[in-house]
Amino acid sequence: GENVEQHPSTLSVQEGDSAVIKCTYSDSASNYFPWYKQELGKRPQLIIDIRSNVGEKKDQRIAVTLNKTAKHFSLHITETQPEDSAVYFCAASYFQKLVFGTGTRLLVSP
Amino acid sequence: EAQVTQNPRYLITVTGKKLTVTCSQNMNHEYMSWYRQDPGLGLRQIYYSMNVEVTDKGDVPEGYKVSRKEKRNFPLILESPSPNQTSLYFCASSPARGGVVNEQFFGPGTRLTVL
Repeated sequence: GENVEQHPSTLSVQEGDSAVIKCTYSDSASNYFPWYKQELGKRPQLIIDIRSNVGEKKDQRIAVTLNKTAKHFSLHITETQPEDSAVYFCAASYFQKLVFGTGTRLLVSP
Repeated sequence: EAQVTQNPRYLITVTGKKLTVTCSQNMNHEYMSWYRQDPGLGLRQIYYSMNVEVTDKGDVPEGYKVSRKEKRNFPLILESPSPNQTSLYFCASSPARGGVVNEQFFGPGTRLTVL
């Protein structure tokens, strides 16, 4: 089955810096790669996603890149703000299953 | 308001006492799923359903049952709960057009403690 590894587990940055979170997946059949943000005590919410026929996708300060050959994808957040502080989860979907990474706790200090 | 609801939100029970956590969505989504969230392990899929009367195992189905008799409801059943099922549970739904997984809309979560 699919296995998703996510790094780092914690990431501390200063406000205005960029943050990068990386994930690798094992099953080449995976074709959908979403990223979710979970604030403390809240439910996960989708922030961006990408399908395997696309290499990069941007939405304002957030971007995701996908390297199918290497089986890894990354979340890039530019000009970080304190409200970006949360836990971020990557995921990979193969067939109708969805497998999540273990999460990255991002702390943005003012 | 489009939403996914779960009940109860909090539950403390004892080993072996059967329980059901309900999940309902009003967005006419085909796909519904249950996840458990544990510290350091992220979200792990328990079961999912692509449509009425169609359910499949996720990565951690042992000790759980589900049913999908109606499109809007997807209850999670623990026939004989054990302490290792203490966790935060999320139900989610998604518009799975053409059998493809899309954005998951999560419910508020149910915090279950099994003593």
